[in-house]
Amino acid sequence: GENVEQHPSTLSVQEGDSAVIKCTYSDSASNYFPWYKQELGKRPQLIIDIRSNVGEKKDQRIAVTLNKTAKHFSLHITETQPEDSAVYFCAAGYSTLTFGKGTMLLVSP
Amino acid sequence: NAGVTQTPKFQVLKTGQSMTLQCAQDMNHEYMSWYRQDPGMGLRLIHYSVGAGITDQGEVPNGYNVSRSTTEDFPLRLLSAAPSQTSVYFCASSYSPLAGVYNEQFFGPGTRLTVL
Repeated sequence: GENVEQHPSTLSVQEGDSAVIKCTYSDSASNYFPWYKQELGKRPQLIIDIRSNVGEKKDQRIAVTLNKTAKHFSLHITETQPEDSAVYFCAAGYSTLTFGKGTMLLVSP
Repeated sequence: NAGVTQTPKFQVLKTGQSMTLQCAQDMNHEYMSWYRQDPGMGLRLIHYSVGAGITDQGEVPNGYNVSRSTTEDFPLRLLSAAPSQTSVYFCASSYSPLAGVYNEQFFGPGTRLTVL
């Protein structure tokens, strides 16, 4: 089955800095790569996703890149704000999703 | 639309008890799934369904049963609860019924289960 590795497990940045979270996957059949944000005590919510026929996607301050050859994809957040503090999960899949273990992002004012 | 709803929000069980976690969605989604979330483990798929009458196992199915008699509902049953099943359980749904054609998964608010 699919195996998704996510790094780092924790990330602390200053407000205004950029943050990068990286994931690798093992199954070359995976064709969908979403990123979820989960605030404490809340449900995961989709923030951006990318499909295997696209190399990069941007939505305001967030962007995702995908390298199918290397089987890795990354989340980039620019101009971080305190409200970006949360746990971020990557996932990969074809018919089902496999999630990474999460990255706790802390943005300090 | 209420989206994806789950009941109860919290539950405490004793070892060996059984219970059903309820999940419903009003978005006419074909695909529904159950995940468990444990600290440092991310979300792990328990069971999923691509439509009424069709269910399949995920990564961690042991100790859980599901059924899908309607498009709207996808209950998760714990037959004989064990402390290892202490976790937060999330139900999710998405539109696409087709394997390999993904659309956004919408998550319910979760059920926090403690087994003593």
